[in-house]
Amino acid sequence: GAVVSQHPSRVICKSGTSVKIECRSLDFQATTMFWYRQFPKQSLMLMATSNEGSKATYEQGVEKDKFLINHASLTLSTLTVTSAHPEDSSFYICSASSITNYGYTFGSGTRLTVV
Amino acid sequence: GENVEQHPSTLSVQEGDSAVIKCTYSDSASNYFPWYKQELGKRPQLIIDIRSNVGEKKDQRIAVTLNKTAKHFSLHITETQPEDSAVYFCAASNESGYALNFGKGTSLLVTP
Repeated sequence: GAVVSQHPSRVICKSGTSVKIECRSLDFQATTMFWYRQFPKQSLMLMATSNEGSKATYEQGVEKDKFLINHASLTLSTLTVTSAHPEDSSFYICSASSITNYGYTFGSGTRLTVV
Repeated sequence: GENVEQHPSTLSVQEGDSAVIKCTYSDSASNYFPWYKQELGKRPQLIIDIRSNVGEKKDQRIAVTLNKTAKHFSLHITETQPEDSAVYFCAASNESGYALNFGKGTSLLVTP
C-alpha cells in the first residue's frame, strides 16, 4: 500500500532556531500534501495544502513566513518551522494524496519540542 | 468551509458492549467520510471509510452508516475489546484534492 515516510519523528530545538520536517511518498506520486498540527488532546488542524510545483495555500491564522512549505517534487514535501518558539511545540503530521491513489496517506508525525 | 462536529467527546463502555460515535458535517459537496483511530503519539490509522454513494459499510466488528440527507454519519463498534481504547476521529472531504476536515475526536475507553 501507499507509504509516506516522515522525518524526524522527534526533535528538540532551542527557541529561535529553525527546524525542517520532511515527508516522502515512497511508492506513489503525491500530487497534493496536507500539513496538520495537533496539540495534546486536540484534533488535527489543517495548516496548509501544497500541490507539487505550486505555492502552498495556508489556512487562516497560519503564518506563511513562519511555516515554510516546499513541495518541489512529487515525492517530497518539507515544512520548515522558522524562528521556533515554545508555543510552536506540537505534533506535526503530513498527509499525501494523489490523483491516482484515492484516499489520504499519513506520515508518522513529528513531535517538535522547542525549549 | 466544511465543519465537522463529533459526539461524544468521551465514551466509556464495558468490554463486550457496543460503542457508537456520531458526526455531522456541513458541506453538501463532501463525499468521502473516513474514520481514524489514533493512539497516543502515533499517526491516525484508517479503520473504515464510506463514500457518498453508499449508505452503510461493515468490516467485522466495525460499521459506518451515512445519511446524506441529514448530513450525518456514525461509527459503530460491536463487541468492544480493551484494545479498542483510543481516540477516534471522523473526517469529511470532497475527495478531489481537498483536505480532510476532522471532528474533535472521541476518547473511547473500554474497561474489562
